[in-house]
Amino acid sequence: SQTIHQWPATLVQPVGSPLSLECTVEGTSNPNLYWYRQAAGRGLQLLFYSVGIGQISSEVPQNLSASRPQDRQFILSSKKLLLSDSGFYLCAWSSTSWNTIYFGEGSWLTVV
Amino acid sequence: AQSVSQHNHHVILSEAASLELGCNYSYGGTVNLFWYVQYPGQHLQLLLKYFSGDPLVKGIKGFEAEFIKSKFSFNLRKPSVQWSDTAEYFCAVSLNSGGYQKVTFGTGTKLQVIP
Repeated sequence: SQTIHQWPATLVQPVGSPLSLECTVEGTSNPNLYWYRQAAGRGLQLLFYSVGIGQISSEVPQNLSASRPQDRQFILSSKKLLLSDSGFYLCAWSSTSWNTIYFGEGSWLTVV
Repeated sequence: AQSVSQHNHHVILSEAASLELGCNYSYGGTVNLFWYVQYPGQHLQLLLKYFSGDPLVKGIKGFEAEFIKSKFSFNLRKPSVQWSDTAEYFCAVSLNSGGYQKVTFGTGTKLQVIP
């Protein structure tokens, strides 16, 4: 069966520091991968999606970037965090032949 | 662009009460519809989904949702809620866009069930 994991689960970082959240999917190949941010009262906002290695699309302009160095690995990064980057980040995957998105456990980021 | 509206941000019910959470979307084409649930301290889970066929969809834990195309709605229902249904519920709409799933979520409805 397919599984998705992301880490770290919680992170407290000072303003201006870098960020790296990692996500991996097991049990499937060539998945579509996504990074979402969940903000209170604002639902889930799609940040990035990827349909293949090295293929990254951004949905909204922001202080973050994403990379997909391997087929089942998706990384969310920032060179310098802002206070407004605080939030709950979710990695997700879907099969190109299905239409359901499955989410990881999420990562709480607090920028102080 | 597609959008999803969940009209109830916070719902409080007593156990055994009936539940209906509203979800409306705006998109004129073919969409797939989902309800996700996030229990306290847990990750987002799929509750049920509609792709095609019978517009009345049954999901896990006694939940169901009805797709009414003419109303652009996909309301979630449960005849009798339990305390364990306390969670946040998200409606989502997806369509295929350039080879990937473009999914738009509603802002969520927090359900609190009182014993």
